Amino acid sequence: AQKITQTQPGMFVQEKEAVTLDCTYDTSDPSYGLFWYKQPSSGEMIFLIYQGSYDQQNATEGRYSLNFQKARKSANLVISASQLGDSAMYFCAMRELMIKAAGNKLTFGGGTRVLVKP
Amino acid sequence: DTEVTQTPKHLVMGMTNKKSLKCEQHMGHRAMYWYKQKAKKPPELMFVYSYEKLSINESVPSRFSPECPNSSLLNLHLHALQPEDSALYLCASSQEETGAPYEQYFGPGTRLTVT
Repeated sequence: AQKITQTQPGMFVQEKEAVTLDCTYDTSDPSYGLFWYKQPSSGEMIFLIYQGSYDQQNATEGRYSLNFQKARKSANLVISASQLGDSAMYFCAMRELMIKAAGNKLTFGGGTRVLVKP
Repeated sequence: DTEVTQTPKHLVMGMTNKKSLKCEQHMGHRAMYWYKQKAKKPPELMFVYSYEKLSINESVPSRFSPECPNSSLLNLHLHALQPEDSALYLCASSQEETGAPYEQYFGPGTRLTVT
C-alpha cells in the first residue's frame, strides 16, 4: 500500500488566489513527521514546511500553511496569494520516527504539478 | 548557510566509463543521502550515510558505489552504467538524531545521461 498519496497530478491556479494541494498518508507509527517540498524545473528540492504528528497546531510558514487532520491522515498544503514563481512540482513526504527499520527514510508522494496563470 | 552543492551539474557518460558525482555541505549535518529521480516521478532513496557510515542501501546495483570520505563530503562512483540509469541524482543532508524529524536539505542535482 502507498504510504503517501497525492491525488492531484496537476493543477492550474490564478495568480493571487489560494490553492490547496492534497496529501494523505498511511502509517502505524504513532510518531511521524510530514514535510512539503517544492521542486522547480531547475531540479532542486526546496523544503517548505513541516508538521509533527504530536503538534497541536497547524504549521504555518509565510504564505504556506498545512491543514493537518490527524484522524483523516491528511496533511494538505495551502499556498495563499499565489505567485508566478510558485509554478513547480510539489511533493508531500513522511518520515516515520519510531520504526527503527525506517531509519532516516523520507517517503515521497507522487507529486502535484502547479501552474500559476497570470 | 543552508547550501548543499553538487558537481557536475550535467554529465554524459558511455556505458564503459567510470565517473563520480560529488556532494558537499558545510552545515555540520551528520546524515547525508543520495536519491535518484526519473522524470515526473518522486525521488527514490538510494543510500543513507549516518556519521560517515553507510546506514541504508536500498538494494542499489553495485555499479553505483557511494563513499563518504568525511562529514562534509559524499561521493557516488559510477561504473558500467546502463541507459536506464539516466536520471537526476540528488544529494541531501540533515541533522542526525534518532527519532528526530529534521528536514533534509537538497542540492541542485546532477543530470546524468548514459549513452
